[in-house]
Amino acid sequence: EDQVTQSPEALRLQEGESSSLNCSYTVSGLRGLFWYRQDPGKGPEFLFTLYSAGEEKEKERLKATLTKKESFLHITAPKPEDSATYLCAVQETSGSRLTFGEGTQLTVNP
Amino acid sequence: DGGITQSPKYLFRKEGQNVTLSCEQNLNHDAMYWYRQDPGQGLRLIYYSQIVNDFQKGDIAEGYSVSREKKESFPLTVTSAQKNPTAFYLCASIKDPRLLGTEAFFGQGTRLTVV
Repeated sequence: EDQVTQSPEALRLQEGESSSLNCSYTVSGLRGLFWYRQDPGKGPEFLFTLYSAGEEKEKERLKATLTKKESFLHITAPKPEDSATYLCAVQETSGSRLTFGEGTQLTVNP
Repeated sequence: DGGITQSPKYLFRKEGQNVTLSCEQNLNHDAMYWYRQDPGQGLRLIYYSQIVNDFQKGDIAEGYSVSREKKESFPLTVTSAQKNPTAFYLCASIKDPRLLGTEAFFGQGTRLTVV
């Protein structure tokens, strides 16, 4: 059974204070690992897809990386508008299931 | 504009009633999903469907039912057998889950409250 564990559960940063969010996963075969951002009361918004170990993707202040067991979402010099819950999900090669972690609630204070 | 539309945005249910949540997509996506989200929690899979007239149970299917009579529609019924239905419900779709890394698109959710 696929398992996705995100840490920390909550993270509070000062504006400009860089940090990383972790997503550890267990799947029989990885088709893709996805990062989403979710604002309160809204549906998740797609950020990145990673396919294979060693892959990296960047978008503005966010950078996602992937190893064989985990993914990191690095946030460089965050701003208050980066405050949201960040969700990680995995899709295995054998089926269509998309399994999510519990999320990390990020708060960036001005 | 293409997208996923969930309705209603807010729904109130009396105990013992069945209610149906609507999810419609005009993205021509093959697969559709229903997730439940409780406060401060991640998304838990209720049901998913890869093609019309076929669907599979997710991790928390008890007390829920679905149908997939049309490619663009995947309604979720919350039955009276679901003992704790108050939650935020999210519908998603994927173009073709067999393709490498195709992302899921989400609707804006339905917040269901039992009164």
